[in-house]
Amino acid sequence: AQSVTQLGSHVSVSEGALVLLRCNYSSSVPPYLFWYVQYPNQGLQLLLKYTSAATLVKGINGFEAEFKKSETSFHLTKPSAHMSDAAEYFCAVSESKVLGTYKYIFGTGTRLKVLA
Amino acid sequence: DAGVTQSPTHLIKTRGQQVTLRCSPKSGHDTVSWYQQALGQGPQFIFQYYEEEERQRGNFPDRFSGHQFPNYSSELNVNALLLGDSALYLCASSLSGTDEKLFFGSGTQLSVL
Repeated sequence: AQSVTQLGSHVSVSEGALVLLRCNYSSSVPPYLFWYVQYPNQGLQLLLKYTSAATLVKGINGFEAEFKKSETSFHLTKPSAHMSDAAEYFCAVSESKVLGTYKYIFGTGTRLKVLA
Repeated sequence: DAGVTQSPTHLIKTRGQQVTLRCSPKSGHDTVSWYQQALGQGPQFIFQYYEEEERQRGNFPDRFSGHQFPNYSSELNVNALLLGDSALYLCASSLSGTDEKLFFGSGTQLSVL
């Protein structure tokens, strides 16, 4: 079965500093990978997705992620943190067991805190 | 264009009771998935509905059941509630035959006392 591991349940960065959130996956086949963001009392919003077209994926709000097959990683980065980036971030892998259907396997999440 | 809507937003039940949660998918979507998000955890897949049938199911007991209607809306039913069922229940919709990108609702916060 596929799985996702997010290293660091809490990450703190200063405003303007680099954001790096780590995600490693296990998959026996080329995966679809996703990063979602969840603000308090809200659902999940898609930041970006990897579907094998390009290893560097650009998403919304200045975030990007790089797929590294050799490291089975899909880390999320943003060059300069903003106060509004404070939220919980989830990495997910898509698993297809029935033709044409997908279910997502989520990591346990990383809570990002941005310090003024 | 309305996104995924869920009702109610909050619900309080007692152990042993039954609960029904509702979801309307994003316009144009035909597939609905349900996830359970316990406090401090990532969402866990419950099941997925397409063409009014359950297509895939996660590791949840039979107390969890669902339904999809002809207009693609969906219900999640949980019987014989346990304290451990307290969680945020998220509905996600997608369009079959595409890259299956999921759009999530804001969820229903269920508290079991």
